[in-house]
Amino acid sequence: GENVEQHPSTLSVQEGDSAVIKCTYSDSASNYFPWYKQELGKGPQLIIDIRSNVGEKKDQRIAVTLNKTAKHFSLHITETQPEDSAVYFCAARGGGYQKVTFGIGTKLQVIP
Amino acid sequence: NAGVTQTPKFRILKIGQSMTLQCTQDMNHNYMYWYRQDPGMGLKLIYYSVGAGITDKGEVPNGYNVSRSTTEDFPLRLELAAPSQTSVYFCASSYWRSETSTDTQYFGPGTRLTVL
Repeated sequence: GENVEQHPSTLSVQEGDSAVIKCTYSDSASNYFPWYKQELGKGPQLIIDIRSNVGEKKDQRIAVTLNKTAKHFSLHITETQPEDSAVYFCAARGGGYQKVTFGIGTKLQVIP
Repeated sequence: NAGVTQTPKFRILKIGQSMTLQCTQDMNHNYMYWYRQDPGMGLKLIYYSVGAGITDKGEVPNGYNVSRSTTEDFPLRLELAAPSQTSVYFCASSYWRSETSTDTQYFGPGTRLTVL
């Protein structure tokens, strides 16, 4: 089955700096890569996703890049703000209908 | 829309007791899921359902059972609770039609379960 590795497990940045979270996946047939944000005491919520036919996608301060050859994808948050502090999960879904496999999460702390 | 609702929010069980975690969605989603979240371990899929009457095992199904009699409800049953089942449980739902679907999963607020 699919295996998703995510790093770092924790990340501290100063407010205004950029944050990058990286993930790798094992199944070359995976075609959909969502990112979820989990705030304290809440369920995860989708913040951005990318399909395998796209190399990069941006939404305001958030961007995701995908390298299919290397089987890795990354989340980039620019101009970080204290409200960006949360746990971020990457995930990958295989071809056809396959279950989504999540990474272990990255706890991001933005220091004011 | 209320989205995905879960009850209870918190529960303490004694070893060997049983309970049912309730999950309801009002978005007419066909797919529903149960995950458990342990510190530093991410989200592990327990069971999922692709529609009413159809369920399948995920990564960590042992000690749990599910049923899906309606589109809206997907209860998770714990039989003979064990300390290893202490965790936060999340229910989620999504609408999947084809490989082109983005399949966004909508999560409930979670149930924090402690087994003593």
